[in-house]
Amino acid sequence: QSALTQPRSVSGSPGQSVTISCTGTSSDVGGYYYVSWYQHHPGKAPKLMIYGVSERPSGVPDRFSGSKSGNTASLTISGLQAEDEADYYCCSFPGTYVVFGGGTKLTVL
Amino acid sequence: EVQLLESGGGLVQPGGSLRLSCAASGFTFGSYAVNWVRQAPGKGLEWVSAISGGSGDTTLYADSVKGRFTISRDNSKNTLYLQMNSLRAEDTAVYYCARWIEYYDYWGQGTLVTVSS
Repeated sequence: QSALTQPRSVSGSPGQSVTISCTGTSSDVGGYYYVSWYQHHPGKAPKLMIYGVSERPSGVPDRFSGSKSGNTASLTISGLQAEDEADYYCCSFPGTYVVFGGGTKLTVL
Repeated sequence: EVQLLESGGGLVQPGGSLRLSCAASGFTFGSYAVNWVRQAPGKGLEWVSAISGGSGDTTLYADSVKGRFTISRDNSKNTLYLQMNSLRAEDTAVYYCARWIEYYDYWGQGTLVTVSS
């Protein structure tokens, strides 16, 4: 049940694109399609942004996209906006436990 | 509207016990698996426990809480529980309940548990 590996922080200017990586193993991220991403503003409930590696829930802007290659999943945010500044977590479900990434703080410069 | 509302948090001494509740509304509670997820101060999200829908006959626990925490549900009351025993300082966190359908589509606002003497 080791945490997935995410960069501690990323940053970008409004309008730019950023990508957050999430690295696991063949036993979690690499082996299953149950990869999801959450946005978390301090003091609020986390919000689902991506599920099933690349599916976007209704209401989530299409600026948010997900992908996976091997044992690494990625969240890309294009056209950065000030309100995107938050913590982002990836999540994988290998079947008998759930594992999160350590979280990435996105700063919009 | 789907809502999840946690309660029961507070200050407890090391070695003590606490029971958290999560009241659900706006959906057929018994049809869904639900989980507890926590966030310690300055740390990231950590999965704690999961219980299957229906009778809740399948339960899963993180290694860090196995043997100390017990998850349960009462579908007649639309409520999820987490019984926490032998609490440690490292259990200090905001505890969230969340609906699970191979991902978390709805979350509560969380309840703070502080383990300290």
